Formats: sequence, C-alpha cells, structure tokens
Amino acid sequence: DAKTTQPNSMESNEEEPVHLPCNHSTISGTDYIHWYRQLPSQGPEYVIHGLTSNVNNRMASLAIAEDRKSSTLILHRATLRDAAVYYCILSPHTGANSKLTFGKGITLSVRP
Amino acid sequence: GAGVSQSPSNKVTEKGKDVELRCDPISGHTALYWYRQRLGQGLEFLIYFQGNSAPDKSGLPSDRFSAERTGESVSTLTIQRTQQEDSAVYLCASSLGPSGISKNIQYFGAGTRLSVL
Repeated sequence: DAKTTQPNSMESNEEEPVHLPCNHSTISGTDYIHWYRQLPSQGPEYVIHGLTSNVNNRMASLAIAEDRKSSTLILHRATLRDAAVYYCILSPHTGANSKLTFGKGITLSVRP
Repeated sequence: GAGVSQSPSNKVTEKGKDVELRCDPISGHTALYWYRQRLGQGLEFLIYFQGNSAPDKSGLPSDRFSAERTGESVSTLTIQRTQQEDSAVYLCASSLGPSGISKNIQYFGAGTRLSVL
C-alpha cells in the first residue's frame, strides 16, 4: 500500500487558517487522497477526498499538488472544536476491499 | 439520521474471559469494517464484510478473534480468552458498498473501549 507521511503535530490560533501537509510520493494513478479526523474519545469522521483537482466542502478544502505527491488540508478558520488528530490516507479506486490504512496522523492543537 | 452504533461503550473484563462487541451499521450500508486502536496509535484493520461475500479476515491478529455479520445488518466481534494486550478501542465502520468512490467514505461508531485486567 502506498504510504503517507505527516508531521506529528501542529498548533494553530483560533479563527486563523490552518494548513495541514501530507506527503505521498509513491501514490499511484488510481489512488484517491482521503482525510479523516478523530476528535477526542470519538471514532474517526470523514473530512474530504480528492483525486487530482482541488476540492472544497463545508468542512475544509483540499489542495493537491500537480504531481500528486503531496496534498494540504486547509481549515479556513480554526475553531476549538477542530482540535483533533487528522489522518491523510490513500485509498485505491479499484478493488473490492476498501480498508483504510491509518498512520499516526497529525495532532492539531488550537489555542484560544 | 442514525449513525453507526456500537455497544457496549466500555467493557472491563478479566484475563481469560470471552467478550462480544456489537456493531449496528447505518441502514442500507452493505460494507462493514472492524478496526482496533491501541492507546496513542492509529487504527489497525481487523476484518471487512461486503454483502454476502466471504469476509476479508486478513487483519485478525490471532484465532482468538472472530466476527460474524447477519446479512447486511448487525455484526459481532468476539474475542476469546482475552489477554491484556487486547486492551484497546474497537471501532466499527460502515460504507455504502463496493462500487464507486462512495465505497471509501466510511462512517465510524464511537467505539468500544475494552480493558482486560
């Protein structure tokens, strides 16, 4: 499975934008880039996914490098509730088993 | 709408006892997954069910672990002769199915925290 690498942690101030990086240099042409986050004492929740083009939804934006070897999750205005572990995951579009391979993720702290 | 429901939320057991963990997926979701999360770690895949197909059991760590699913509904994860190393949060997820990008959007329950004394 193609792997992702993320910094261990990042700090942000409330109401400021946050850019969470992810490297995936061995990504294959059929891999989607997914982001999930896990709030304390909860299961992970889906945030966003993309293939080649940048994506926006109500939670975040996903900026994908032209060569697809890296991506950045953008929270436009961090709130205290955004403090969580954020996981960047590659998942093949083909194949029957869609298990997600979670790394350790990046722990985001938000300062009031 | 109702999300993925897991029970119990917490389970404390003695070493050597058997435990059963339950997962109710989102209605209409044909795919169901079990993961394990040890303290401070990422999630480890355990098993995957898709409709009536044979489950993918490749992530089960030993033959003490087993899981069943009735059709496209409830699933039970059973751990026999529990060991202290089994202490973890066990998470269940469901997704719509194997076709298209929707298959990879998984919805997770809150998990069952298992403590083996």
